[in-house]
Amino acid sequence: DSGVTQTPKHLITATGQRVTLRCSPRSGDLSVYWYQQSLDQGLQFLIQYYNGEERAKGNILERFSAQQFPDLHSELNLSSLELGDSALYFCASSVAPSGVLETQYFGPGTRLLVL
Amino acid sequence: ILNVEQSPQSLHVQEGDSTNFTCSFPSSNFYALHWYRWETAKSPEALFVMTLNGDEKKKGRISATLNTKEGYSYLYIKGSQPEDSATYLCASFVYGGSQGNLIFGKGTKLSVKP
Repeated sequence: DSGVTQTPKHLITATGQRVTLRCSPRSGDLSVYWYQQSLDQGLQFLIQYYNGEERAKGNILERFSAQQFPDLHSELNLSSLELGDSALYFCASSVAPSGVLETQYFGPGTRLLVL
Repeated sequence: ILNVEQSPQSLHVQEGDSTNFTCSFPSSNFYALHWYRWETAKSPEALFVMTLNGDEKKKGRISATLNTKEGYSYLYIKGSQPEDSATYLCASFVYGGSQGNLIFGKGTKLSVKP
């Protein structure tokens, strides 16, 4: 158990809908990262927050947004969902902001299925 | 676009076999290479973080080497056991402007038969 929690574990929704994925980092970790794992793709970095502020941005679609709250939990909002958004979404956390040498601790993931 | 490539895509070995797989990454502007192990239905777990050319890390029967000049890292597993069955991911840390993030390869899926 990494200490990172994600809810829900599974989510089934329809195209055009909006969903919110939630992540609580390990105790003491200030950085939260979001990744997308689609079929036949590697883990794709979406976005990182550090202590409430956006720190780094990957190939995150405009339909997706995220935030980190004062209690350090983070939410990833996916809107106008398309079939291709079906994927496993991971949250990871680490102590420091840079990420170069930091071990990232991954949560169990949320599996999203868009029908 | 930065690509991190891993080979082979999958590997089937017998218990007791030693095995190795490769991670290739662009050697220019190298910062760090991370190895993760991802068991089915679990979360990826960190194995190693490597930064220096020639670096070698070891954790039990698993070891890794790094060649930053030619842009590759090898992961070795000595005497594979069924519990080593997992997908092994490598990721290179890259900077774009003032921000950085990990770029992951697609992984090598290892299956160890008893």
